[in-house]
Amino acid sequence: DAGVIQSPRHEVTEMGQEVTLRCKPISGHNSLFWYRQTMMRGLELLIYFNNNVPIDDSGMPEDRFSAKMPNASFSTLKIQPSEPRDSAVYFCASSSSVGTQYFGPGTRLLVL
Amino acid sequence: QKEVEQDPGPLSVPEGAIVSLNCTYSNSAFQYFMWYRQYSRKGPELLMYTYSSGNKEDGRFTAQVDKSSKYISLFIRDSQPSDSATYLCAMRRTSYDKVIFGPGTSLSVIP
Repeated sequence: DAGVIQSPRHEVTEMGQEVTLRCKPISGHNSLFWYRQTMMRGLELLIYFNNNVPIDDSGMPEDRFSAKMPNASFSTLKIQPSEPRDSAVYFCASSSSVGTQYFGPGTRLLVL
Repeated sequence: QKEVEQDPGPLSVPEGAIVSLNCTYSNSAFQYFMWYRQYSRKGPELLMYTYSSGNKEDGRFTAQVDKSSKYISLFIRDSQPSDSATYLCAMRRTSYDKVIFGPGTSLSVIP
């Protein structure tokens, strides 16, 4: 199994630009999670999906952030417009309903 | 007060030492407790998973949960340089609930 796949692995963009992060969960997993990790705030849950349906998006910072899961094998996290304070490592994780969360390698985002 | 507190370190120990990593929490409803290990520039990976109070051992690793004190610990025996990583405690109320992570403790094991 390839594990959770995230792309891109690194992203450098300028303030105001749109950023799209992508995630392919482990096949057969029906829950998908987006996290953000910074030195100041640690690992924060942004949103999670169960069976492609958003269950809890209370961690999404503001309207500039949106996430979609059009099918069981793909999800996106979009930031529009991006700001320097969005710079962080963004992780995607997947799990079966009550199982262990498996994390992807993360996307390092730098907004200049 | 944060829901889950953890000393960020860094913690530096010599190879072969016993390491003790700890977390405190405020929500008495937490029942499932986890320890994740995160190597530099990698995603976290699950190390230990326990339910309610008690001890769980897996090789050189032992997880302890004391719900009465709202305190959990991870012990690493005979620490190795390959144990150098950030260790995050995590917990949830039910098996379906979202996971709350601590900020992590950075550990360096010096050869």
